[in-house]
Amino acid sequence: AQKITQTQPGMFVQEKEAVTLDCTYDTSDPSYGLFWYKQPSSGEMIFLIYQGSYDQQNATEGRYSLNFQKARKSANLVISASQLGDSAMYFCAMSNKQGAQKLVFGQGTRLTINP
Amino acid sequence: GAVVSQHPSRVICKSGTSVKIECRSLDFQATTMFWYRQFPKKSLMLMATSNEGSKATYEQGVEKDKFLINHASLTLSTLTVTSAHPEDSSFYICSVHPRETQYFGPGTRLLVL
Repeated sequence: AQKITQTQPGMFVQEKEAVTLDCTYDTSDPSYGLFWYKQPSSGEMIFLIYQGSYDQQNATEGRYSLNFQKARKSANLVISASQLGDSAMYFCAMSNKQGAQKLVFGQGTRLTINP
Repeated sequence: GAVVSQHPSRVICKSGTSVKIECRSLDFQATTMFWYRQFPKKSLMLMATSNEGSKATYEQGVEKDKFLINHASLTLSTLTVTSAHPEDSSFYICSVHPRETQYFGPGTRLLVL
């Protein structure tokens, strides 16, 4: 069974600083996908970034990058130059790429950016 | 990315009534859609996989007779919460997966009184 663990219930960061949100995963599947989503108070799930297990390079999308360390089974999200609008819940998730693309989510991390 | 809409965005109903939630894929033909549920301050949990033209696949512990799913076209899946009770109050959110990514609708907040 797949499992995602986010060990930081809350993070507080000063505006303009970089922040790393931790995510570790467990799976026996050789092929899988890793996702990060942002959930503001409105509830919508905003797709941020995706990393495939066979991708050689770490994924990047603007200010977001995914620090993929396969041997350690970690997929940390790095947000550079944080902004007040980054304050939200952040969820790490994984899918079985070979399967039905069902997502298993971590517990989430609430990020607060202080001015 | 794919654009997904849900209707209604929020609904309040009396205990014992049924509520239908629509999920529409606006720019992507989705043979499969997913329905998730999120209780307050909790993470998302997959309820079922909606399959166009065939029966939905439910996750363990989810009552198929209570949560009816219909996926009649490539752009629409519906979730009906039958005989809703206060414990069904939750945030229901659907998703589609073009290629390897997955995009979510805005969600529906259900409150059962």
